Amino acid sequence: EAGVAQSPRYKIIEKRQSVAFWCNPISGHATLYWYQQILGQGPKLLIQFQNNGVVDDSQLPKDRFSAERLKGVDSTLKIQPAKLEDSAVYLCASSGGVRSTDTQYFGPGTRLTVL
Amino acid sequence: AQSVTQLGSHVSVSEGALVLLRCNYSSSVPPYLFWYVQYPNQGLQLLLKYTSAATLVKGINGFEAEFKKSETSFHLTKPSAHMSDAAEYFCAVTAPSSGGYNKLIFGAGTRLAVHP
Repeated sequence: EAGVAQSPRYKIIEKRQSVAFWCNPISGHATLYWYQQILGQGPKLLIQFQNNGVVDDSQLPKDRFSAERLKGVDSTLKIQPAKLEDSAVYLCASSGGVRSTDTQYFGPGTRLTVL
Repeated sequence: AQSVTQLGSHVSVSEGALVLLRCNYSSSVPPYLFWYVQYPNQGLQLLLKYTSAATLVKGINGFEAEFKKSETSFHLTKPSAHMSDAAEYFCAVTAPSSGGYNKLIFGAGTRLAVHP
């Protein structure tokens, strides 16, 4: 079974530029998550989708971050404009259900460096 | 509100020694707890999870964790460390999100080093 795919793996941009990350979850997984992992910290949830609907975006900086999940499959996360403090690894995860015991499966992440 | 505290950002052990990584949680509801491992330049991989079925949970790669409600702890152990265990380990607790769904709250992580 293929895992969660993410691209690109690495991205370097200047501050105030825009950037987009792509995620393809495990086939059939209805729930998709985007996390931000700053160096030395644990992952922090940015946004959670159930199919193509947003169920939690309370930690998403909506003035600069946006995300969509068209057709309930792939998802993109965009930052515009980027700030220095956005340098982090952006992880995508998916799960097959919504129960609190369901395992989340993580992709390899996209490492963003903002100069 | 739910939270996780991992004691010790760095732990170093000798190969063959006991591994003990500490995790304490705070939860307003009966918790579900997870341990994930992250190898360099990779995503997180589930080691084990506590779902209230049994307090001693066995996971992959010889790891296990014991849920202790009285101590609000979920420490991760392995009897004998291997060089390949060197990685970062994250403890997580479930928390309610909007609309009746659930999300994970992660600790800051513990980096495990194994030396010969």
